[in-house]
Amino acid sequence: DGGITQSPKYLFRKEGQNVTLSCEQNLNHDAMYWYRQDPGQGLRLIYYSQIVNDFQKGDIAEGYSVSREKKESFPLTVTSAQKNPTAFYLCASSQQRNTEAFFGQGTRLTVV
Amino acid sequence: GNSVTQMEGPVTLSEEAFLTINCTYTATGYPSLFWYVQYPGEGLQLLLKATKADDKGSNKGFEATYRKETTSFHLEKGSVQVSDSAVYFCALRGLTGGGNKLTFGTGTQLKVEL
Repeated sequence: DGGITQSPKYLFRKEGQNVTLSCEQNLNHDAMYWYRQDPGQGLRLIYYSQIVNDFQKGDIAEGYSVSREKKESFPLTVTSAQKNPTAFYLCASSQQRNTEAFFGQGTRLTVV
Repeated sequence: GNSVTQMEGPVTLSEEAFLTINCTYTATGYPSLFWYVQYPGEGLQLLLKATKADDKGSNKGFEATYRKETTSFHLEKGSVQVSDSAVYFCALRGLTGGGNKLTFGTGTQLKVEL
């Protein structure tokens, strides 16, 4: 079945450590996105990529980094520079402009 | 830039009540509009969409009509069920200014009670 897979579902890290969240899609979509969701809030865009080897900052990119070496994969690294990293992270992909985005099941990151 | 405004929640209804969740938007050109639903601990699922003015999106008894004159895309359902309890997000994707990304509202939590 086609879809987007995020792993792991739950992730715990100590403060000051970098952590990488995985996102893989087999939908053959060109565009991929990372969003952050905090309790009671909407989704905020961290980074997005429209083609392989290219990506752009979203609204809250500070403290995060991404890569897009393969069409299927768009990993997100939460660095120690991110001041408040505990949140629910959602990965999405889409084919073209004005088409819907498909979402993964999310990764809940807790930094202790 | 693009923006989406939704009514604040939580919205609490009795089963079989009528549902309306308001959504208005600001965008240049003719954006596509979407409603997504999120169940606890899960990602977002597309509920319905409309890509041009006067289009009506519908799915699972939910409906929304793209009203360009009022820049609105209100979500409605004639008779809600307990299983409809979730958070609903209105979103848009514009053709200009903002690339290919979706802009979301803050979400409206719906609670349906017996």
